[in-house]
Amino acid sequence: DAGVIQSPRHEVTEMGQEVTLRCKPISGHNSLFWYRQTMMRGLELLIYFNNNVPIDDSGMPEDRFSAKMPNASFSTLKIQPSEPRDSAVYFCASSLGGDTQYFGPGTRLTVL
Amino acid sequence: DQQVKQNSPSLSVQEGRISILNCDYTNSMFDYFLWYKKYPAEGPTFLISISSIKDKNEDGRFTVFLNKSAKHLSLHIVPSQPGDSAVYFCAASRHQGAQKLVFGQGTRLTINP
Repeated sequence: DAGVIQSPRHEVTEMGQEVTLRCKPISGHNSLFWYRQTMMRGLELLIYFNNNVPIDDSGMPEDRFSAKMPNASFSTLKIQPSEPRDSAVYFCASSLGGDTQYFGPGTRLTVL
Repeated sequence: DQQVKQNSPSLSVQEGRISILNCDYTNSMFDYFLWYKKYPAEGPTFLISISSIKDKNEDGRFTVFLNKSAKHLSLHIVPSQPGDSAVYFCAASRHQGAQKLVFGQGTRLTINP
């Protein structure tokens, strides 16, 4: 069974560039989460969706960050413009309602 | 403002001995707690959880203890095995089934042969 799929796995970009991270949740799951992992703060929830609708985006750090979920099988997290402090590992996770969250392998983002 | 704190960034334990990972939280509204385990280049995976109505939950070699008055929980692994080497994240939520999880910074556990 395919788990949560994220692409790209690694992204290196220059400051000021637009970055788009992609996620395909587990088929049948109706909730999707975007997290960011840093050494200092650990795993932080950025935003989550239920049935493709954003429910809580209070963790999105700034207006430079945006997330969409156009359908049940795809979501994007966009950073525009990117800054060096956005360098982190970004995880997508999915679940069936309030059940266990299943995480993807993450995207390691480096902004130079 | 870190609501869930894991104050030990790393821990090294001999194979066969007990590993104890600690976690503190500040928000008294948290009612449900989880531990996730993460290997390099993989996402975190759920390990064990505990509701605030209990003070202990056991699953094989893994036991989680909760001290609500101290706002403290710990994960015990007995006996520790080399495959347990990973980063362990503590997480908290307002109730079981709540989707919003607050994670700690993680503790890197290394089991030495």
